[in-house]
Amino acid sequence: DAGVTQSPTHLIKTRGQQVTLRCSPKSGHDTVSWYQQALGQGPQFIFQYYEEEERQRGNFPDRFSGHQFPNYSSELNVNALLLGDSALYLCASSPGFGGYTFGSGTRLTVV
Amino acid sequence: AQTVTQSQPEMSVQEAETVTLSCTYDTSESNYYLFWYKQPPSRQMILVIRQEAYKQQNATENRFSVNFQKAAKSFSLKISDSQLGDTAMYFCAFMASNTGNQFYFGTGTSLTVIP
Repeated sequence: DAGVTQSPTHLIKTRGQQVTLRCSPKSGHDTVSWYQQALGQGPQFIFQYYEEEERQRGNFPDRFSGHQFPNYSSELNVNALLLGDSALYLCASSPGFGGYTFGSGTRLTVV
Repeated sequence: AQTVTQSQPEMSVQEAETVTLSCTYDTSESNYYLFWYKQPPSRQMILVIRQEAYKQQNATENRFSVNFQKAAKSFSLKISDSQLGDTAMYFCAFMASNTGNQFYFGTGTSLTVIP
């Protein structure tokens, strides 16, 4: 039974560029949440998708956007990258409420 | 707003000994959940233990147990018989019951188990 799969595992981007990160939820899970974990910090909630719509959003600028597909997979897009966007981006899936499973994250470095 | 505070950035413990990690939180919610997550070098957040705030009994999972003091808003994790595989970052987290949509994490405690 596959858990949460995130791709890519690492990537390097230049300031001002755009990036797309991908997440495939655990089988049977229909809800996907995204978190940003800066170095030395705990994860911070970006947003959550359910039924292909953004259900809740954390305190992140509009440069951060997302999408959920009919198969429940999700993408996180970040536009106009800043150096401060360098972080580990974690995806977590759940079967509605509770029972969250995290992926191993995508390490984004902005140079 | 919810806040979670972990005041111990780093801790170490001898193998087979017991260690306690501290966590305090602040919330105006009456119904919520508290969690301890482990993040090894693989980066995946792994659930260690979970506590429902309405339950007075402290949660226990094998070698892991919590001391939940609701009035003091304290939620510490005790690891007994520490093993080398327990070496990891440990995060305390809060989730409100009425929304259940987002975790609020502390800044973490880096635990090293010394052989």
